[in-house]
Amino acid sequence: KAGVTQTPRYLIKTRGQQVTLSCSPISGHRSVSWYQQTPGQGLQFLFEYFSETQRNKGNFPGRFSGRQFSNSRSEMNVSTLELGDSALYLCASSLAGGAIQETQYFGPGTRLLVL
Amino acid sequence: KQEVTQIPAALSVPEGENLVLNCSFTDSAIYNLQWFRQDPGKGLTSLLLIQSSQREQTSGRLNASLDKSSGRSTLYIAASQPGDSATYLCAVRPVETSGSRLTFGEGTQLTVNP
Repeated sequence: KAGVTQTPRYLIKTRGQQVTLSCSPISGHRSVSWYQQTPGQGLQFLFEYFSETQRNKGNFPGRFSGRQFSNSRSEMNVSTLELGDSALYLCASSLAGGAIQETQYFGPGTRLLVL
Repeated sequence: KQEVTQIPAALSVPEGENLVLNCSFTDSAIYNLQWFRQDPGKGLTSLLLIQSSQREQTSGRLNASLDKSSGRSTLYIAASQPGDSATYLCAVRPVETSGSRLTFGEGTQLTVNP
């Protein structure tokens, strides 16, 4: 079974631009979560989607948004980029995101650099 | 609000040594705790998941324990190898949030010297 894939792997943008990142979960998985990882803040939860609906949202400004498609693929968008948005963005998938014993599987991440 | 702490932040050991990584969390109301491994610039690899009702899980040279009442977990690595060098993260899934949201610790950066 293919793992979680994320595209693109690397991205360089300038301040004020917007960016869209994509995540394809493991086949059959319906829950997709997004995390931001920075050296100073560690791993922080952005949001989770399940069956095309946002189920959970972290403490990030409205510039960060996401969506999920009917095939469970998910995208996240960041508008009006700031230097502080430079980070590794990780996507995780799980079957349903609700079972106690459910493991989450992470993708390789998208490294975003904002200049 | 759930907080997760990992001690030490960094650890350097000679090859072959047995070692213990520590993780503590402030709210014992969790569904499970997961240990992950992260290689530099890469994603996370799940190592072990312990459900809240379990005390420990084992996989090969790895053994993770959970003491929910005291808010602690340990990851024991036996006979460490240079290939074990990575950052180890623990994460809890709090009961207070629905879905699969995880709260992570800052990680322990492990270096195993040949």
